[in-house]
Amino acid sequence: AQSVSQHNHHVILSEAASLELGCNYSYGGTVNLFWYVQYPGQHLQLLLKYFSGDPLVKGIKGFEAEFIKSKFSFNLRKPSVQWSDTAEYFCAVMNSGGYQKVTFGIGTKLQVIP
Amino acid sequence: NAGVTQTPKFQVLKTGQSMTLQCAQDMNHEYMSWYRQDPGMGLRLIHYSVGAGITDQGEVPNGYNVSRSTTEDFPLRLLSAAPSQTSVYFCASSLTGVGTEAFFGQGTRLTVV
Repeated sequence: AQSVSQHNHHVILSEAASLELGCNYSYGGTVNLFWYVQYPGQHLQLLLKYFSGDPLVKGIKGFEAEFIKSKFSFNLRKPSVQWSDTAEYFCAVMNSGGYQKVTFGIGTKLQVIP
Repeated sequence: NAGVTQTPKFQVLKTGQSMTLQCAQDMNHEYMSWYRQDPGMGLRLIHYSVGAGITDQGEVPNGYNVSRSTTEDFPLRLLSAAPSQTSVYFCASSLTGVGTEAFFGQGTRLTVV
């Protein structure tokens, strides 16, 4: 069975600081990976996704993530955060077999201080 | 663009009551799913559907029923509400898989007293 670990549950940063949120998964086969974002009081939105190809994936709002297969990781990065990035971020993994279902991590709450 | 529409947004139930959370999507997506979101536990899959007439259980299905008579609609029924079902519920739809590249509804905040 697949599982996802997000190590940082609550991160506080000042504006303009760099961001890296960790995500590790446990599944030995081919995976598809996602980051979703949930702004306060809103629903989840897809931030970026990895299916195949270039392991460095660029998403919306300046976010990017790097798939490192040898480390089973898919960390989310942003060079300079803004107050509007305050949100909860969820990593999700899906194995490629059977009915395609993702497993979500427990989420990381990011608070950006102006 | 309506996307995924969930109703109601808020609901308070008494223990033992039943109710149906509605979910509709207008994107002709085959995959639809229901999640519950609880603090410190992320999103957990309750039930999902891979097309009209086909449903299956997720990781926390007990106490919930679903049906998928049309591509558009995927209601979630609470049979006999319990305080442990107090949560925020999200419906999602996708072209490519359950939770993959998914569009989420606005959520239903349910309190069972």
